[in-house]
Amino acid sequence: GAGVSQSPSNKVTEKGKDVELRCDPISGHTALYWYRQSLGQGLEFLIYFQGNSAPDKSGLPSDRFSAERTGGSVSTLTIQRTQQEDSAVYLCASSARDTSNYGYTFGSGTRLTVV
Amino acid sequence: SQQGEEDPQALSIQEGENATMNCSYKTSINNLQWYRQNSGRGLVHLILIRSNEREKHSGRLRVTLDTSKKSSSLLITASRAADTASYFCATDKGYSTLTFGKGTMLLVSP
Repeated sequence: GAGVSQSPSNKVTEKGKDVELRCDPISGHTALYWYRQSLGQGLEFLIYFQGNSAPDKSGLPSDRFSAERTGGSVSTLTIQRTQQEDSAVYLCASSARDTSNYGYTFGSGTRLTVV
Repeated sequence: SQQGEEDPQALSIQEGENATMNCSYKTSINNLQWYRQNSGRGLVHLILIRSNEREKHSGRLRVTLDTSKKSSSLLITASRAADTASYFCATDKGYSTLTFGKGTMLLVSP
């Protein structure tokens, strides 16, 4: 597609349930990133995929969070046993390999509310 | 830890005025980027300035970079109501992941 697509755009879930968030990056972009943004805050890095390399998971806040990227394209971020502090906007971005010359293209995000 | 810190946190101006936002960072960078965010959703890339550049222009945007002071500024000239948004600086330290600041909220009143 022309841009980065995220689904769902909004998700309300009960505490303790698992959720899956999906990101479809720009075709041909080898790098994919997940960030989250709590209300009024900056972006917190979660995980980074680059081609077939092992992902950089250094930003995942706990072992309840995991992500995968199938076939070097679509990515799914899974949060198990959701907690209220997981409520945030989850943003996905993709970029061409040469990030020294190009910025990220972001999706519109998934607003997750845990009740 | 937070790499980029924007200043001010919030800025309110009238249409036609210029808006200046600043960003400070702590460690060496490959490049610094500015993004705009409307309504708390996806960010839009505005401009990228490399560490060996001092100034860059794009339309009504002017970005400066002072690596000796580890700071950057974003100037929006002749602001419009449509420029109302949050603006974030992001630093690239060469590890391919960007570190974002907390942003400056800009309100441009008609």
